Amino acid sequence: EAGVTQFPSHSVIEKGQTVTLRCDPISGHDNLYWYRRVMGKEIKFLLHFVKESKQDESGMPNNRFLAERTGGTYSTLKVQPAELEDSGVYFCASSQVKRGARTPEAFFGQGTRLTVV
Amino acid sequence: SQKIEQNSEALNIQEGKTATLTCNYTNYSPAYLQWYRQDPGRGPVFLLLIRENEKEKRKERLKVTFDTTLKQSLFHITASQPADSATYLCALFSGSARQLTFGSGTQLTVLP
Repeated sequence: EAGVTQFPSHSVIEKGQTVTLRCDPISGHDNLYWYRRVMGKEIKFLLHFVKESKQDESGMPNNRFLAERTGGTYSTLKVQPAELEDSGVYFCASSQVKRGARTPEAFFGQGTRLTVV
Repeated sequence: SQKIEQNSEALNIQEGKTATLTCNYTNYSPAYLQWYRQDPGRGPVFLLLIRENEKEKRKERLKVTFDTTLKQSLFHITASQPADSATYLCALFSGSARQLTFGSGTQLTVLP
């Protein structure tokens, strides 16, 4: 079974440009999360989808960030326009609640390293 | 404010010894706590989960304890091996927020 995959693995863009990150969750996982780790800091929550609906986007830094999950499958995270402080590693994770299990484990992708110069 | 602290940024131990990593939290009422392993250039990999009403969980050479009074979790790796070298992250899940909050991690190095 394929794990969570993220594209691209690395992206270097200039300040003011637009970048779109993609995440393909594990097939059948309804929950999809975006997290970000900036240099020297802990991994921080950005938002949570349940299928195609945004369940919680309280971690999104500002309106330059837009996440979508069309059809409840893959998700994209667009940063427009990118700023220097957006640099970091963006992780996607997915999970599925199994019958009888209240607390699912999350499976993470390898991350996209974004560098804004 | 809410805070998660992991005991140190780096921990070096000798092969065969037990590694003990600490995760302390304040101003949380977590429903459960998870430990993840992260290798360079990779995403976190789930290791163990312990619920608020559980004291201890074991999986092979791994053991996690959870003390909600002390607001602390301890993560032990017994008979450590160089292959255990990685960054270990603790993460809390609160039922109200329904999201994982991570500590900054402890980089463990097991010396041969």
